[in-house]
Amino acid sequence: GAVVSQHPSWVICKSGTSVKIECRSLDFQATTMFWYRQFPKQSLMLMATSNEGSKATYEQGVEKDKFLINHASLTLSTLTVTSAHPEDSSFYICSARGHILTGATGELFFGEGSRLTVL
Amino acid sequence: GQNIDQPTEMTATEGAIVQINCTYQTSGFNGLFWYQQHAGEAPTFLSYNVLDGLEEKGRFSSFLSRSKGYSYLLLKELQMKDSASYLCAARENTGFQKLVFGTGTRLLVSP
Repeated sequence: GAVVSQHPSWVICKSGTSVKIECRSLDFQATTMFWYRQFPKQSLMLMATSNEGSKATYEQGVEKDKFLINHASLTLSTLTVTSAHPEDSSFYICSARGHILTGATGELFFGEGSRLTVL
Repeated sequence: GQNIDQPTEMTATEGAIVQINCTYQTSGFNGLFWYQQHAGEAPTFLSYNVLDGLEEKGRFSSFLSRSKGYSYLLLKELQMKDSASYLCAARENTGFQKLVFGTGTRLLVSP
């Protein structure tokens, strides 16, 4: 299957600082990338959808000025958590999909996830 | 919008068969996915159904009934390593074709 790489895997930061998380599709061009957040023992909550070269579409209740998403190329999307606070501590997972008409199912391929701890 | 329901937790013994149910209500539907997620790791793709019926893949099978808004994941010959969360996700048929996930079912397989 296709490979999506996410970096960093772990990050600890002080309250008030900003953290950038990168998501790369290594062996395919990701037309669409999705960013999810997952709290302990809960399911994945979609935060936003990004398409290369256009502004991200945020889900209701997600602050676009706090969670900055940039999809600069077909293989890279970044999520920046600005002015992070302890309540932003979570597991952030990106996923990517190639052209939906290619492949058997158009399923999402997930990155390894990034665990953010804000002190 | 989408609403996806699945049981929170299930337990089973090694070697047994377990069925994890999922019901969904969607404003637009274009396929039902099942993912497996071990604690602290990213989800991995298990199966996909878009037409009614059963899809079999080794020890795992998935069933879909579009008219009933219902799917299940069937795991046979359970192994300890199958202890994980199983996420049901429905794909919208509009816009970005988003995947919306259910709350996940934590399966514990005991010896």
